[in-house]
Amino acid sequence: SQTIHQWPATLVQPVGSPLSLECTVEGTSNPNLYWYRQAAGRGLQLLFYSVGIGQISSEVPQNLSASRPQDRQFILSSKKLLLSDSGFYLCAWTRTSGRGSYEQYFGPGTRLTVT
Amino acid sequence: GDSVTQMEGPVTLSEEAFLTINCTYTATGYPSLFWYVQYPGEGLQLLLKATKADDKGSNKGFEATYRKETTSFHLEKGSVQVSDSAVYFCALGRPAETSGSRLTFGEGTQLTVNP
Repeated sequence: SQTIHQWPATLVQPVGSPLSLECTVEGTSNPNLYWYRQAAGRGLQLLFYSVGIGQISSEVPQNLSASRPQDRQFILSSKKLLLSDSGFYLCAWTRTSGRGSYEQYFGPGTRLTVT
Repeated sequence: GDSVTQMEGPVTLSEEAFLTINCTYTATGYPSLFWYVQYPGEGLQLLLKATKADDKGSNKGFEATYRKETTSFHLEKGSVQVSDSAVYFCALGRPAETSGSRLTFGEGTQLTVNP
């Protein structure tokens, strides 16, 4: 079966510091990968998606970037954090091929607090 | 574009009460519909899904029917438990040429069940 991991689970960082959040998927190959941010415990905002190694698409301009150095690894980064980067970051995956209903499967999330 | 509207919360019920969380959508074509559940401090879990009109998705006592004529996908449970306390998200999914799948989420409905 497939599993998705995120780390760290929680992070407290000062304004202006760098950021690196990691997401890995097990039990599948060539997944589509997604980064979301959830602010104020509610709505989800799609930040980035990737359909393959080195292929990153950004949904909104912001202080963050993403990379996919390996097939099942997706990294969210920032060079200098802003207070507004605080939130709950969720990674998700979906299959790339075959007929399906297009559901995405989410990781446990990383709670980021920028102080 | 696609959009999903959920009933506003929070919703507070007593244990064993009947639950309905309304969800309506705006979309062209035949998207898939989902309900996700998020327990405190966790990621989103897929609760149930429906891929075509009149399909009924069900899981853990929850049900929802894909109603194309009313563009709705209301979540129901006959007897809620304290352990059902969580945030529930309605979502619409369709294939996306560049990202594999595209999910459009409602804003979420907080459910609290009291003993």
